Parts: sequence; structure tokens; C-alpha cells
Amino acid sequence: KNQVEQSPQSLIILEGKNCTLQCNYTVSPFSNLRWYKQDTGRGPVSLTIMTFSENTKSNGRYTATLDADTKQSSLHITASQLSDSASYICVVSEGTGNNRKLIWGLGTSLAVNP
Amino acid sequence: EAQVTQNPRYLITVTGKKLTVTCSQNMNHEYMSWYRQDPGLGLRQIYYSMNVEVTDKGDVPEGYKVSRKEKRNFPLILESPSPNQTSLYFCASSLGLLNSPLHFGNGTRLTVT
Repeated sequence: KNQVEQSPQSLIILEGKNCTLQCNYTVSPFSNLRWYKQDTGRGPVSLTIMTFSENTKSNGRYTATLDADTKQSSLHITASQLSDSASYICVVSEGTGNNRKLIWGLGTSLAVNP
Repeated sequence: EAQVTQNPRYLITVTGKKLTVTCSQNMNHEYMSWYRQDPGLGLRQIYYSMNVEVTDKGDVPEGYKVSRKEKRNFPLILESPSPNQTSLYFCASSLGLLNSPLHFGNGTRLTVT
């Protein structure tokens, strides 16, 4: 069964600190892996999309890694800010050609405290 | 401004009263989709459309209908809403599912009493 599992479920850090969120997946065939940020009550916003051949991708203070062999991804947030408080969702695209499906994780809820 | 617009933002209705949630995008995207989000269950896909006049069921299509008569619009229809359809709904669009991100609307919070 295709699944995306994220850990931890929730995380509290102090402003200015770094943190790393984890995503493990069992999706085949793999197409790409995405990270989204979702503020409470708002629609998710895309942070990054990684294909099979990409190991690392950055978007400002967000850096995503992908290990396609172990089927693991991480999202590292550097020098956290209060505005980073949100849910971070890992999504894996499975399938090929026009027959693709997005498999959504349940997200990691991050709280950045002053 | 490139965006996905959903209306209404909040909706309270009663069981059995037909309703429509509108979704419009101005990015000329071919792919559009509806999701519902419930605590502990994450985002679940209701219906999606690869292009005009092409719609397909997602993971939780029961009780919902959609149409795609024009590229920019993808309304979600609840013919006879029930309390278990109380949820936060999101419309999303994308150039495609290859390597393009989904752009989400701001959501519609629906309560069915």
C-alpha cells in the first residue's frame, strides 16, 4: 500500500533555532516528492518539488533532502522565525505518464515560540 | 495576481439543502482538484479534472459532484449535504502533475447541521 509517514507529529522550538522534519514513504512507482507549508485554516503552499535525481533543494531557509534508495526525505528549517509556525506536509507523486496520484502525509505541526 | 478563488469562505447549511462551492483559477491551468481536510485525516481528494470536460473520482467522492465546462472553473456540488460532510474544503489547480506545484485556494469551511 502506498503510504507517506511523517515525524514527529508535532514539534515546538524556540525562535532562531534549527529543526528537521522527516518523511518516509512507500510509494511505487515514484515520480516526485513535494513539501508544502500550511498555515492554520489556509491552503497549503508549495515549498519544493524534488525529482528522483535530486538529493538536495533549497528555498530560502528551507532545505529539503531526498534519499530515493531509503525512501526518506527531510525538511530542514534554519534560523526559525515565528512565521514558520505551521503544518508541513510531505506529498509523494506516484505513477507514470498521465496516470499519477498524490499521496499525502498527515503533516508535522511546528510551533515556533519567542 | 495569479490565484485560485473559492467562494464562499464560510458556509452553514442544513441537511439535504443543495449547495455549490465555486472555484476559479486565472492561471490557465489544465489540472484542478477538490480536497477535504479533517482533523487527523489530512487532505483527501474528492474529485479531480485533467482538462475541460474530463473529471475523475478521487479517494472520497461519495456525496459530491463536479463539473468542468470551462478551463477556469471547477465547482463542487453537494446535492444533499449530510453532517459527515462538515469539513474544510480546498480547491487546487496545477499545470499538470508531472513536476508542477499545486496552487490552493483559501478554503471553504462548511458546516452541515
